This record gives sequence, structure tokens and C-alpha cells, in this order.
Amino acid sequence: KAGVTQTPRYLIKTRGQQVTLSCSPISGHRSVSWYQQTPGQGLQFLFEYFSETQRNKGNFPGRFSGRQFSNSRSEMNVSTLELGDSALYLCASSFEGLTYNEQFFGPGTRLTVL
Amino acid sequence: AQSVSQHNHHVILSEAASLELGCNYSYGGTVNLFWYVQYPGQHLQLLLKYFSGDPLVKGIKGFEAEFIKSKFSFNLRKPSVQWSDTAEYFCAVNGGSNSGYALNFGKGTSLLVTP
Repeated sequence: KAGVTQTPRYLIKTRGQQVTLSCSPISGHRSVSWYQQTPGQGLQFLFEYFSETQRNKGNFPGRFSGRQFSNSRSEMNVSTLELGDSALYLCASSFEGLTYNEQFFGPGTRLTVL
Repeated sequence: AQSVSQHNHHVILSEAASLELGCNYSYGGTVNLFWYVQYPGQHLQLLLKYFSGDPLVKGIKGFEAEFIKSKFSFNLRKPSVQWSDTAEYFCAVNGGSNSGYALNFGKGTSLLVTP
């Protein structure tokens, strides 16, 4: 079974631009979560989507947004980029069952803001 | 506020030494606990998980962890480390009634195993 895939793997943007990152979950997984990983703050939860609805949101400004499509693929968007948005953005998917199931992580998208 | 603390940020061990990485969390109620590992250049992988039942859980590659509810701890252990265990280790917690699948991670512990 193919793992979580993320595109693109690397991005370089300049301040003020916007960026869209894409995530394809493992087949059959309907929950998709996004995380930001930086050396200073570590791994921080951005948001979680299930059945095209945002189910949870972390403590990030409104410049960070996301969506999920009917095929469970997800995108996240960051508008008006700041230098501090440089990070590895990780997507994770889970199988939604009666009980909690672990998240499987993708390789991430490395975003550099200049 | 809910938080996850990892006690050691950098650990250096010789091969065959024993490993214990501490993790404490500040959540009330039911929690799901995880240890993830990130090898250099690779993505996060699940080492082990605790949902309920036996508080001593075994994971991949000889790792184990013990959930001590009274201490809000979930420490990771390995009796004898190998050079290939060099990686970053993250403790993560899912908990709270509205948390969905969201994971709260500790800051991570960078482990270097020397030959």
C-alpha cells in the first residue's frame, strides 16, 4: 500500500507570496492532519480534516488555511508568507474507525521563505 | 494548557549502552500515547503506541515504553542501542474530548550512538 505522499517536496518563496501544499493520504484513510516542524518550536499541529470538514485547528494565524476534497486529498495554503514560515510541513493520515488509530506521516514539504 | 515534555534534548551513548528517554504530559482524562522516530533524511515513523491495557508496550526494533498513569509519564527504553538508532525521537499525546486525531508533540530528543 502506498504511503502518504506530499507535493512538492521543496519550495522556495519570497515574503508576501502565498503557497499551496498538497497531500494525498493512504488509500482508505479519511482523516488528514497537518503539522509544522521547525528547529525552535518542534512539531506543532496546524489542523485536521475529516470528510471535507475541518475538525480541529491548532494555534496558528488565519494566514494558514486548508481544505479537503471528496477523495480525501488535502491542501494547505499559507498566504502573505513571512520568514518565520520557513519550515517542514508534514501531512499525516489516519483510518477513521470506532477507536483511535495512529497517524502515518508523509515525507513533508520543505518550505523556505526568503 | 496541555503540554508534552521530553526531558533530554540531546543524548550521546556508546553502542550497547542502555537507553531511557523521559516523556511527561499534562492532560487530564484518557490519553493515547506514542513515540515516533525520525531517522536522518527520513520521515516520521511510529515506534510504539499505547491506547489501553498493559502499560508496558513493545514496539519495533527492540524499543519498549511504560505508561505510568500516576506520574503522567511514558518513558521510552531500549536495553542495548545500536549505531543505527541514531535519530530524533518524539513523544506525542492525543487526548481531550475535542482533540480528534490531533497530536501534541514534545520537542524531541536527538540521540547519537557512537561506535
